[in-house]
Amino acid sequence: NAGVTQTPKFRVLKTGQSMTLLCAQDMNHEYMYWYRQDPGMGLRLIHYSVGEGTTAKGEVPDGYNVSRLKKQNFLLGLESAAPSQTSVYFCASSWWSEQYFGPGTRLTVT
Amino acid sequence: DQQVKQNSPSLSVQEGRISILNCDYTNSMFDYFLWYKKYPAEGPTFLISISSIKDKNEDGRFTVFLNKSAKHLSLHIVPSQPGDSAVYFCAGARIQGAQKLVFGQGTRLTINP
Repeated sequence: NAGVTQTPKFRVLKTGQSMTLLCAQDMNHEYMYWYRQDPGMGLRLIHYSVGEGTTAKGEVPDGYNVSRLKKQNFLLGLESAAPSQTSVYFCASSWWSEQYFGPGTRLTVT
Repeated sequence: DQQVKQNSPSLSVQEGRISILNCDYTNSMFDYFLWYKKYPAEGPTFLISISSIKDKNEDGRFTVFLNKSAKHLSLHIVPSQPGDSAVYFCAGARIQGAQKLVFGQGTRLTINP
C-alpha cells in the first residue's frame, strides 16, 4: 500500500508556464483534496472532489484547475503560473473521517 | 478571516514533561476538530480528533480537550518524547459532502532531552 503519492516532488517554473501535478491514492477513497501551504500559514484548500468525475472549489481556487477522471487520481493544473503560486502543494484523500496526505510537491515560480 | 488560530508559533518542552498545544476557533459550525502532526518534507499525519459534542478524547499519550464556550481546544502530550518534535496543526472540520478542513497556522514543538 503506497497510500497517497504525488508527482513531481519538486518543480521550478517560469512565470506564464503551465504544469500539472498528479496525485494518486490506492485506498479506494471517494474524496480527494488539493491544499497549498505557505510559510506561517496553515494548509488552505484549493479544490476537492467527492467522487470520480466531480470537482468543487475550495477556499483558494483562483489560478488552478482540477480533474478527476479516475477514482484513484486527482490532477491539479496551473495554466499560467505566477510567483504567488510558489508554495508546497499537498494532496489528500479520505472516506468520511480523517484525511491521508501525500508527501507534497514544492513548486517555485520565478 | 482566520477561523482557526494557533497563536504560539513554537513551544519547547523537556523530555518526559507535558506538552500543551493550544488552538482557538471562531466558527461554531465545525462538526469536529482534528490534530495533525507534520515532520519536515512529509505530509501531515492524523493524530487525534474530537467531535464538537464531546469535551475530551484520549488516545494513549495524547488527549484533546474541547471548551466550546471559550471556543478553545488543546492537545496534551504526556509524557513528551523526542519523536514528538514536529509541527502540529489543529483543524476544524465541516461535513459538507466532503470533509472540509480549516487549518491553523501550526505550532512547532521541540522536545529537549
